[in-house]
Amino acid sequence: ETGVTQTPRHLVMGMTNKKSLKCEQHLGHNAMYWYKQSAKKPLELMFVYSLEERVENNSVPSRFSPECPNSSHLFLHLHTLQPEDSALYLCASSQAWGADYGYTFGSGTRLTVV
Amino acid sequence: GQNIDQPTEMTATEGAIVQINCTYQTSGFNGLFWYQQHAGEAPTFLSYNVLDGLEEKGRFSSFLSRSKGYSYLLLKELQMKDSASYLCAVRPYNTDKLIFGTGTRLQVFP
Repeated sequence: ETGVTQTPRHLVMGMTNKKSLKCEQHLGHNAMYWYKQSAKKPLELMFVYSLEERVENNSVPSRFSPECPNSSHLFLHLHTLQPEDSALYLCASSQAWGADYGYTFGSGTRLTVV
Repeated sequence: GQNIDQPTEMTATEGAIVQINCTYQTSGFNGLFWYQQHAGEAPTFLSYNVLDGLEEKGRFSSFLSRSKGYSYLLLKELQMKDSASYLCAVRPYNTDKLIFGTGTRLQVFP
């Protein structure tokens, strides 16, 4: 148990499906992140939320839509994905945006787009 | 921009010492992080260097030289459970991004 829980752990979806990834943290952190981890590539930052406001969006295609209803929950809504979107999607949280704190990561959702 | 380089794979023997290097080109950063990631699991925090020098934490130590654009993670008395990927990351000034390298996959053999 890392303190950051992601569901589902595995997801297979067709290109026309709509699905959502969920992330939950009960660490009292006020910043949350979505990262994409593809084979042989660095972790890529997708979105940053601080106090439920999106503070960064790293040129992510609109088929990925984040939502942060409160400081403990973060969602990534998926729609009309492509096979190249298959990857491990990691959620992370930290104590404060802009401060020198490390991240606590979830175990990720392994996404396969068919 | 930032460019962070790490060796892709390394192998070592149980009980040995291994050094995993991380070189970077960046205009400036607050600190440098090392994370460990076992296959199928979350990356977990190992160390954080702000100042130049060596930070020791049990069997693991991390070194930073800002003037040389270089860091390394030193693992002593290797154990089989140390087989994992090791990720180097920097936090650029005035951002909350962590910019990661591709990671180094370490395999420890008996």
